[in-house]
Amino acid sequence: RKEVEQDPGPFNVPEGATVAFNCTYSNSASQSFFWYRQDCRKEPKLLMSVYSSGNEDGRFTAQLNRASQYISLLIRDSKLSDSATYLCVVPYNAGGTSYGKLTFGQGTILTVHP
Amino acid sequence: DAGVTQSPTHLIKTRGQQVTLRCSPKSGHDTVSWYQQALGQGPQFIFQYYEEEERQRGNFPDRFSGHQFPNYSSELNVNALLLGDSALYLCASSFSVNEQFFGPGTRLTVL
Repeated sequence: RKEVEQDPGPFNVPEGATVAFNCTYSNSASQSFFWYRQDCRKEPKLLMSVYSSGNEDGRFTAQLNRASQYISLLIRDSKLSDSATYLCVVPYNAGGTSYGKLTFGQGTILTVHP
Repeated sequence: DAGVTQSPTHLIKTRGQQVTLRCSPKSGHDTVSWYQQALGQGPQFIFQYYEEEERQRGNFPDRFSGHQFPNYSSELNVNALLLGDSALYLCASSFSVNEQFFGPGTRLTVL
């Protein structure tokens, strides 16, 4: 099983739609999780952090299910500017100690069309 | 406040050559991590430098080496380049193991 696994998509949705991405991870010791956004030919940028059951920031909601070891990202009322690749990221954790290594999923491509 | 900077932006090399990529971290950051991102894939962790020492390493061969300088800037060196080394190389800086901020990357093409 891959350390972090995402559905690569692509997801093509109309403006105003709600879209959800899922991500599974293999290390049950992982404590925190991130969603990064990467625009075409640009660097990844942090979108949301998830430390407990979930996090909400405007139109974006991230949820964590520790029992099933998956994280989801929900985008409501999609905008054209949401078109990007969304990367699920799990920091390496061993024995309760957080390390700097980030493990990225393959990324999910989202295209929002008019 | 300048963010993470990387040089060069683009680079073309031939198989067997050696390359050095450079990274300057965000002000106040002491840790630099390097990632390789192949086309259509997520970034893969190469290694991390802290206090001028390699603190963690990913699953990359010894052809990949690095260095961190006293001013926290860092270099990534790749020897004996292979076609498969063509990728976007991303540098990320952080204060210890906190949030990592990524630079714009260096796009390496190996012919």
